[in-house]
Amino acid sequence: DAKTTQPTSMDCAEGRAANLPCNHSTISGNEYVYWYRQIHSQGPQYIIHGLKNNETNEMASLIITEDRKSSTLILPHATLRDTAVYYCIVRSIGGNGAAGNKLTFGGGTRVLVKP
Amino acid sequence: NAGVTQTPKFQVLKTGQSMTLQCAQDMNHEYMSWYRQDPGMGLRLIHYSVGAGITDQGEVPNGYNVSRSTTEDFPLRLLSAAPSQTSVYFCASRSSLGAANYGYTFGSGTRLTVV
Repeated sequence: DAKTTQPTSMDCAEGRAANLPCNHSTISGNEYVYWYRQIHSQGPQYIIHGLKNNETNEMASLIITEDRKSSTLILPHATLRDTAVYYCIVRSIGGNGAAGNKLTFGGGTRVLVKP
Repeated sequence: NAGVTQTPKFQVLKTGQSMTLQCAQDMNHEYMSWYRQDPGMGLRLIHYSVGAGITDQGEVPNGYNVSRSTTEDFPLRLLSAAPSQTSVYFCASRSSLGAANYGYTFGSGTRLTVV
């Protein structure tokens, strides 16, 4: 799977939008971009994923650049409960082997939402 | 709908003891995985399964065994516990339908200490 690079940490004011960048310059054509978050001591939680089009769901929006080398996760109105470590992951969708099943978690971005 | 259930939540073992970490899901997911997370680090894949009767190794399989006799259950066995296996263990599952369209659902974790 392609390697991702994220800022180590960032702060965000409650009620404001949080924009979390991710660089994945070596992403290949069959790899999707996934975002997960991990709130302290809990299991990771799936947020959103995309291939090349922008995506939106009830939790967040995902903006993927046209060359697919980077993406931004947007939390439109951050709340204190959004304080977590956010992981950007690229994953192959091919086959039943490890490549299609392994999520490679890097260091993530530690987001602190402040009142 | 309970999702992914892991038991026990906490466990202390003595070096050399064996034990089984239980994982069950009620979503009829084909794919199941075990990860470990060490302090300040991302998750690393131990073993995974693409269906009943089929398992394979991840990136850190040594010292662990798995089996998948049913779709619902995916137990992780520690053969002879070592202090290096002190970690938080997460089980995850996902559907194989529309493989690219589903994120993993994670359990709440088992916190294991080996003394």
